[in-house]
Amino acid sequence: AQRVTQPEKLLSVFKGAPVELKCNYSYSGSPELFWYVQYSRQRLQLLLRHISRESIKGFTADLNKGETSFHLKKPFAQEEDSAMYYCALGSGAGSYQLTFGKGTKLSVIP
Amino acid sequence: DTEVTQTPKHLVMGMTNKKSLKCEQHMGHRAMYWYKQKAKKPPELMFVYSYEKLSINESVPSRFSPECPNSSLLNLHLHALQPEDSALYLCASSPRQGGGYTFGSGTRLTVV
Repeated sequence: AQRVTQPEKLLSVFKGAPVELKCNYSYSGSPELFWYVQYSRQRLQLLLRHISRESIKGFTADLNKGETSFHLKKPFAQEEDSAMYYCALGSGAGSYQLTFGKGTKLSVIP
Repeated sequence: DTEVTQTPKHLVMGMTNKKSLKCEQHMGHRAMYWYKQKAKKPPELMFVYSYEKLSINESVPSRFSPECPNSSLLNLHLHALQPEDSALYLCASSPRQGGGYTFGSGTRLTVV
C-alpha cells in the first residue's frame, strides 16, 4: 500500500531563511510525486511535479528514490509562502488516485 | 479552459434535506474525483470516476450518491446527512493515466 509521510505538522521560519518541507513515501511501483499548496481559504493548487523538474515560485523538489524522499526546498522564504503544503503520491494507471500526506503548515515570520 | 468549477460554493442543509453538488471541467480529462476535506486535514478520497464509470468507492456511506452524466460533469447527491458530514467537498479531474489533479475550489457544506 502507498503511504506519504510529512513529519512536521508546523514549520516556522523567518523571512529570508531557507525552507525545507520534508516528505517521505512508501510505494512498491514507480512513484509519481507532487507538491500541492493551499493558501488560506483558497483551492488546492499544484505546485510541483517531480517529472517536470521545474521551479515554481522559487521552490524545487528532487525525487530521491534511494531515500524514498521528495523534500520541498526554497532558499529564501517570503511572507507570501505561508500556507499549507501537501505532498502527494500518484498511483494506479487504471484508476489513478492521489494519496496525500497530512500536510505541513508553513509560517513565515516577518 | 483550465479550471474545475464547483457549485454551489456554500451550502447549508438540514438532516432531512436532499441536495446536490455539481462539478464541471472542459479540459478533456477522463477521470474525475470527489474528495472530502475537514479543517486542517488532508483531502480524503471518496469516489473515482474513469470514463464516466465509477471505479473506486472508498466505503462511503450511501447517503452520498455520485453521478457522472457525461465526461464533463460530476454530481454528488446528498440525502439524510449528519452534522459530522460538514466539510469542504472537493472535485478534481485528471488525465486518466496520471499527471496530477486539477482541483475545484470546493463546496463548503454545513449540515444542521
